[in-house]
Amino acid sequence: DAGVIQSPRHEVTEMGQEVTLRCKPISGHDYLFWYRQTMMRGLELLIYFNNNVPIDDSGMPEDRFSAKMPNASFSTLKIQPSEPRDSAVYFCASSFTGVRANYGYTFGSGTRLTVV
Amino acid sequence: DQQVKQNSPSLSVQEGRISILNCDYTNSMFDYFLWYKKYPAEGPTFLISISSIKDKNEDGRFTVFLNKSAKHLSLHIVPSQPGDSAVYFCAASSYTGNQFYFGTGTSLTVIP
Repeated sequence: DAGVIQSPRHEVTEMGQEVTLRCKPISGHDYLFWYRQTMMRGLELLIYFNNNVPIDDSGMPEDRFSAKMPNASFSTLKIQPSEPRDSAVYFCASSFTGVRANYGYTFGSGTRLTVV
Repeated sequence: DQQVKQNSPSLSVQEGRISILNCDYTNSMFDYFLWYKKYPAEGPTFLISISSIKDKNEDGRFTVFLNKSAKHLSLHIVPSQPGDSAVYFCAASSYTGNQFYFGTGTSLTVIP
């Protein structure tokens, strides 16, 4: 398996524009997580899905953020409109053993978002 | 508020010596802990875990120690190798929780 695949790897956009980040989890993994990494707060969970259904979105910072998982092999995280404070690295991760995975989650390589 | 804290943003160690990375947590309900390793431009990868029923877990050169009374865990790498240079994250979860809480990471540099 190619692992968790995220695209794009880098995104530079202007403030106010819509940004869409994409993720393909590992086949067979029924949990998908979106994390955001910043220097100040480390890795923060934004939202996670189980069997394509959003279970907990309490980490989504505000209504400008939305996430979907239309099928088991694809998820998107959308920011509209984007702001400079959204600049961060966004990671997608997947798991087949649940939220408390004994061996952790498999992370993608991340999308580095810069909003200017 | 950060429930998992890694107070040392960076650490430098000579090759062959011991590296000790520290992590503190505030939630006494946390009972399962992970360490991840992250290279630049890559996602974090699982390194080692420990359950609260243990106070030590070993895997090769890596050992994690848990002090529940102090709400503190540490990762020991012996001997340190240049390939260990990476950012290390600790993460914690409670039995009733629905996520892992991560620290801010410690950047380890092993000097040849």
